[in-house]
Amino acid sequence: KAGVTQTPRYLIKTRGQQVTLSCSPISGHRSVSWYQQTPGQGLQFLFEYFSETQRNKGNFPGRFSGRQFSNSRSEMNVSTLELGDSALYLCASSLAGQASGANVLTFGAGSRLTVL
Amino acid sequence: TQLLEQSPQFLSIQEGENLTVYCNSSSVFSSLQWYRQEPGEGPVLLVTVVTGGEVKKLKRLTFQFGDARKDSSLHITAAQPGDTGLYLCAVRSNQFYFGTGTSLTVIP
Repeated sequence: KAGVTQTPRYLIKTRGQQVTLSCSPISGHRSVSWYQQTPGQGLQFLFEYFSETQRNKGNFPGRFSGRQFSNSRSEMNVSTLELGDSALYLCASSLAGQASGANVLTFGAGSRLTVL
Repeated sequence: TQLLEQSPQFLSIQEGENLTVYCNSSSVFSSLQWYRQEPGEGPVLLVTVVTGGEVKKLKRLTFQFGDARKDSSLHITAAQPGDTGLYLCAVRSNQFYFGTGTSLTVIP
């Protein structure tokens, strides 16, 4: 079956712009979570969506937002981009929510965002 | 402060050598996972350990969960260039927390 698909794979933006990233989970997976990966901070949790509801949110400013559609596809948006937002943004899907026991995350290849 | 500290941060070895990477915390966990991330890809789950003292083997990779379920190690025997990547440990509470990572390079 198809894996987790993230689009676009690469994008370049300038400070002050906004960006929208898309994630299509594995068919049947209802949970989608987003992570930011940088060399300095590693993999940091942004938020999780389950059945179109945000279940949990990491410690990121309100400029970072997301949503999930009825088909479980998810988008995340970053407004008023800053240089420090340059990172690899990873999406992961799972059958159950992150708090569920024996849960397994399947990651997409990520969207590499560069802010100039 | 990071919940999970991994060491070493970087490791560069010759093909055929053995190595061990560590994942440490002061907290107790019900389970711990190891992922490997290759360049240009997302992390891929290698193993989940759930019992204190548990040892799991995946070909040349041996994973151990500490008796107190606070730490874990990953040992690779006879490393190959295909083992190159970023190794991440992770634990779950209401969300997943990932370790700081060990970047491994195996030189042919």
